[in-house]
Amino acid sequence: DTGVSQDPRHKITKRGQNVTFRCDPISEHNRLYWYRQTLGQGPEFLTYFQNEAQLEKSRLLSDRFSAERPKGSFSTLEIQRTEQGDSAMYLCASSLVNSRLGYTFGSGTRLTVV
Amino acid sequence: QKEVEQNSGPLSVPEGAIASLNCTYSDRVSQSFFWYRQYSGKSPELIMSIYSNGDKEDGRFTAQLNKASQYVSLLIRDSQPSDSATYLCAVASAAGNKLTFGGGTRVLVKP
Repeated sequence: DTGVSQDPRHKITKRGQNVTFRCDPISEHNRLYWYRQTLGQGPEFLTYFQNEAQLEKSRLLSDRFSAERPKGSFSTLEIQRTEQGDSAMYLCASSLVNSRLGYTFGSGTRLTVV
Repeated sequence: QKEVEQNSGPLSVPEGAIASLNCTYSDRVSQSFFWYRQYSGKSPELIMSIYSNGDKEDGRFTAQLNKASQYVSLLIRDSQPSDSATYLCAVASAAGNKLTFGGGTRVLVKP
């Protein structure tokens, strides 16, 4: 197992376009999280899944954002009608249900909206 | 008030000295606390976790927790230039289902 994988590593898109990111968690981890991080800030929670169920979504998350984890394995995060304010690092993490063990993060997807 | 607060720094320490980082949190019922290190342009990596009041040591790192004061700290002994990074404090929710991160403290270790 090579850890949490995210694809693509970098994405440049024009304002108004839709983008989709993929995350493959550590195989035995049943929780998967999406965070967003802007320069000089800590990661900000977006949403998380336990197996295929999306259990929580941040109130700050625009309805342009949607995430799925159809078979409880990989997850996708889609941003529709991107805006310049969406430019950030999008981090995926996974963990066992017992989060006392902390998360393992992927390398992130850096999104630039021009 | 932010849920998890850290001094943004930079905290500049000479090589070989002790770096002391602080974090306060607002949710009194939080039970699990973590320190992550993040190098510039990279993702966070877990370096310490602590659940009980007191100190926990792991190599050159010591985490300290005081739940009554809602305070977590991280000490880095014998600081090395390779310790130069941003250190993120994270607090688990009461339900234990997600982490809330502070803004991070940037540490610069000067040779």
